[in-house]
Amino acid sequence: AQSVTQPDIHITVSEGASLELRCNYSYGATPYLFWYVQSPGQGLQLLLKYFSGDTLVQGIKGFEAEFKRSQSSFNLRKPSVHWSDAAEYFCAVGEVNTGFQKLVFGTGTRLLVSP
Amino acid sequence: GAGVSQSPSNKVTEKGKDVELRCDPISGHTALYWYRQSLGQGLEFLIYFQGNSAPDKSGLPSDRFSAERTGGSVSTLTIQRTQQEDSAVYLCASSLDRGREDGYTFGSGTRLTVV
Repeated sequence: AQSVTQPDIHITVSEGASLELRCNYSYGATPYLFWYVQSPGQGLQLLLKYFSGDTLVQGIKGFEAEFKRSQSSFNLRKPSVHWSDAAEYFCAVGEVNTGFQKLVFGTGTRLLVSP
Repeated sequence: GAGVSQSPSNKVTEKGKDVELRCDPISGHTALYWYRQSLGQGLEFLIYFQGNSAPDKSGLPSDRFSAERTGGSVSTLTIQRTQQEDSAVYLCASSLDRGREDGYTFGSGTRLTVV
């Protein structure tokens, strides 16, 4: 079965500093990849997605992610973090045997932003 | 509606009672998904409805869990004889046919507490 690994459970970043959240997936061919953000007490909001084309994708709220096939990674980045970015971030991959329709999620990374 | 609506937002129930959780997807979205999010865990897939096809129930943890989707719209997740380990946030999401490229829209979830 396909899987997604987010190796960092918690990350603390100073406001204004850059951010990189790691995501590794298991799938041999080109996957469908997503990053979602969950603020406290809220559902998940789609930040960005990749399924073909340019390997650097831009999303909402100033986030970007880079697909690296050789590393099976899809890391999320932001050049300058704002206090409002504190939330939980989930990486997900479309499951191939459902036509990529069903998503498999990682366990999430909680981002804390210090003043 | 404009978004995915879930009700109730919070539910406290006694062990052994049955509960029903409701999801009202975005109008026109043919696919509907239920996930469960336990404290400190990622999102666990439960069930997936796509149009008139038979639902993918492969994620339901036991036969105490069931779900239906009436008229291709509203869905109800039923948990019978609730147990304390059922305590979690139950998230519903919907997508267009091309959900694999567009991603899901999530509701805010129902927080279920079994006491």
